[in-house]
Amino acid sequence: NAGVTQTPKFRILKIGQSMTLQCTQDMNHNYMYWYRQDPGMGLKLIYYSVGAGITDKGEVPNGYNVSRSTTEDFPLRLELAAPSQTSVYFCASSFLQLAREGEKLFFGSGTQLSVL
Amino acid sequence: KNEVEQSPQNLTAQEGEFITINCSYSVGISALHWLQQHPGGGIVSLFMLSSGKKKHGRLIATINIQEKHSSLHITASHPRDSAVYICAVRYSGGGADGLTFGKGTHLIIQP
Repeated sequence: NAGVTQTPKFRILKIGQSMTLQCTQDMNHNYMYWYRQDPGMGLKLIYYSVGAGITDKGEVPNGYNVSRSTTEDFPLRLELAAPSQTSVYFCASSFLQLAREGEKLFFGSGTQLSVL
Repeated sequence: KNEVEQSPQNLTAQEGEFITINCSYSVGISALHWLQQHPGGGIVSLFMLSSGKKKHGRLIATINIQEKHSSLHITASHPRDSAVYICAVRYSGGGADGLTFGKGTHLIIQP
């Protein structure tokens, strides 16, 4: 199994450009998440999904959009890139709600995004 | 705002030393995660625990619910243990992920 596959690994955008970060998982997980990691800070939740067709905002959703048309895929869209969106982005998934013993988060390898 | 505090922020030790990383949180939780972020950036879940103690190889995680504190121990540390260790808690009543992450402890093990 590939686990959580996230692309691209690196990207440089100009202010105002748009892009989509791709995320796919092959573990049949219901829950998927997008986090951003800024230097010296803890991971922050951008958006999450509890199943195909269901998405909701996390702690820092402004400037981003998501969709979940299938169980496997959870792309993150940046519409008008701003320097404040320079960060490392991680996609993650879990089978259930991370509230029971043994539950684990599975992470993609991350995308380093710079907006100049 | 509920926060997660980790200490130390940075830790450099010699190979073979016993390592302890601490995590404190502010209110009741339903679960606590320890994660490892490799130098290349990838993140791996190490443990999820809600009480007591868990062991996996040279890694031991403990949690004291009353004191709102967890520790991650590494025995017989090795340079390959060099990584950032992240604590995350799931506050009772949290949303879909409900996780609040600490800023991480940057560990370097020197040969």
